[in-house]
Amino acid sequence: DAKTTQPPSMDCAEGRAANLPCNHSTISGNEYVYWYRQIHSQGPQYIIHGLKNNETNEMASLIITEDRKSSTLILPHATLRDTAVYYCIVRGSSGNTPLVFGKGTRLSVIA
Amino acid sequence: DTGVSQNPRHKITKRGQNVTFRCDPISEHNRLYWYRQTLGQGPEFLTYFQNEAQLEKSRLLSDRFSAERPKGSFSTLEIQRTEQGDSAMYLCASSGRGNEKLFFGSGTQLSVL
Repeated sequence: DAKTTQPPSMDCAEGRAANLPCNHSTISGNEYVYWYRQIHSQGPQYIIHGLKNNETNEMASLIITEDRKSSTLILPHATLRDTAVYYCIVRGSSGNTPLVFGKGTRLSVIA
Repeated sequence: DTGVSQNPRHKITKRGQNVTFRCDPISEHNRLYWYRQTLGQGPEFLTYFQNEAQLEKSRLLSDRFSAERPKGSFSTLEIQRTEQGDSAMYLCASSGRGNEKLFFGSGTQLSVL
């Protein structure tokens, strides 16, 4: 079963920042937080992952709370192409366990 | 590098028939995963390979399902005696050393009539 809780849906105005929350209160010390997204009719796409420090790449920023029980994915300037289902996943550091997806958050970016 | 390739993109079959899907991972990726996704749900893990060895199978993978990865390259997923409940998107993913990022294909959409 998925170890994360996400809101089922969110809206965001085009050009504004999209902040997607995720709760993972049972996360273990060696587990990472991963984010993937799935655009309609495509396979999931990796976005970012982190352990406890905030992370940023060309796609997004990941903010993890100090107690690591929750995190927020930030898309700084959402575009219509960011409309997708976003999945927050907790996974062990060894990479020996498969990704376990929940239902994710359906983000709709509105013009 | 053309990414993970899955064939066919769509498959329509009658109940009771056998179907086989193919996945070509990113070259030199040692791990290959199969997932199944139904409408409105996230992908569900089915099985994964490290090179040619099948290391884990989900309890979702009934006896009618079999997956192979000969020589650690492409993989096939076969479903025997298909049922209407097998209708879903079947996704393949691969990962390289470190196994941190999975790269997914576009999937094979199976419809069992």
